[in-house]
Amino acid sequence: EPEVTQTPSHQVTQMGQEVILRCVPISNHLYFYWYRQILGQKVEFLVSFYNNEISEKSEIFDDQFSVERPDGSNFTLKIRSTKLEDSAMYFCASSELFGGSTDTQYFGPGTRLTVL
Amino acid sequence: AQTVTQSQPEMSVQEAETVTLSCTYDTSENNYYLFWYKQPPSRQMILVIRQEAYKQQNATENRFSVNFQKAAKSFSLKISDSQLGDTAMYFCAFMKRTYMEYGNKLVFGAGTILRVKS
Repeated sequence: EPEVTQTPSHQVTQMGQEVILRCVPISNHLYFYWYRQILGQKVEFLVSFYNNEISEKSEIFDDQFSVERPDGSNFTLKIRSTKLEDSAMYFCASSELFGGSTDTQYFGPGTRLTVL
Repeated sequence: AQTVTQSQPEMSVQEAETVTLSCTYDTSENNYYLFWYKQPPSRQMILVIRQEAYKQQNATENRFSVNFQKAAKSFSLKISDSQLGDTAMYFCAFMKRTYMEYGNKLVFGAGTILRVKS
């Protein structure tokens, strides 16, 4: 069964460093998302992406964050200058289309980001 | 803005018994979807069940079923014949349905930890 994959599973970085989190969505999916979950807290929406542009972003997704689909398969989240409070689990998700059962978002296994 | 509330931080159930997890939501939208996702200790988010708001019939998936009460804005998850592998955090989530060509975000509740005991 097709699934969303994410790499790395765990990333440790120093405060102020740039990180890139990678995701490979399900191959026929057109909508891509990033969510994050700070330990012990709820899952929060960061950004949605369709047709090579951001469709919606939350207030968390400030200028330090960017997303890109550099090729036909990868979807990346970049954090330019990491802060301690960026430590969280980052989930990538994808959905096939909008409307009907194809709206369902399927999640990757997550990348645990630890900022020291 | 939509909000999702899960009032039970933790629940436990004996193996083979039935348990119900509660979820309420607040929205002014008429067209939307509701989901239950499961997050086991591995922290992978796994879809359990989905409900379209325009459907009166409650969704079922094997041992999992929902009680969707649209007027009350309530969406509870019933797990029958609980198994040890059901031990996980369960998140209720809301997504509005639009006909625009962009993806819609999920709004999650705080989650309920379910422990299945042998």
